[in-house]
Amino acid sequence: LAKTTQPISMDSYEGQEVNITCSHNNIATNDYITWYQQFPSQGPRFIIQGYKTKVTNEVASLFIPADRKSSTLSLPRVSLSDTAVYYCLVGNLLYNQGGKLIFGQGTELSVKP
Amino acid sequence: EPEVTQTPSHQVTQMGQEVILRCVPISNHLYFYWYRQILGQKVEFLVSFYNNEISEKSEIFDDQFSVERPDGSNFTLKIRSTKLEDSAMYFCASKLETGIYEQYFGPGTRLTVT
Repeated sequence: LAKTTQPISMDSYEGQEVNITCSHNNIATNDYITWYQQFPSQGPRFIIQGYKTKVTNEVASLFIPADRKSSTLSLPRVSLSDTAVYYCLVGNLLYNQGGKLIFGQGTELSVKP
Repeated sequence: EPEVTQTPSHQVTQMGQEVILRCVPISNHLYFYWYRQILGQKVEFLVSFYNNEISEKSEIFDDQFSVERPDGSNFTLKIRSTKLEDSAMYFCASKLETGIYEQYFGPGTRLTVT
């Protein structure tokens, strides 16, 4: 699994757009980029997954540049309830049949009123 | 929406005792996992389980740990002789099929070993 680097923490205010960038310089051709969210005292929750360009769902958008060496999770108009830790995971769907997830330290997002 | 459930939510045990943590994965899911998270640290993979056998385990998952799917719905993690350092939040997760990274996590069991 590719090593990822993301900021340890970020602060934001309600209503702002938040962009969390993850670096994965040694991403392999078959690797996908996945983001999870973890609220305090809860299990992680899948947010979004992508391979290239842009993916959008009801929760977030994921931007992946052409070289795929980084990705940006974008949360539109955050609220206090978006305060959580956000994890970027990069891995190969074909050779990770067991499917284990390897979490890093994540980015602790704090949304203030 | 279907969800993974775990019991108990909090378990306190004395060092050297055996504990069993229980999970009910989402009913049509085929892959099952246990992870743990020591307070203030990252989520760590323990074991994956498919087709009634362990498919992968981490270095943490030593002989003191075992998993079982006894009745087709429950998925359990047993720690035979708990140590102080086993104190952590234990999360069960499940997913529908291979080749995807979307796992559904339960709310966790907080294990405190005294």
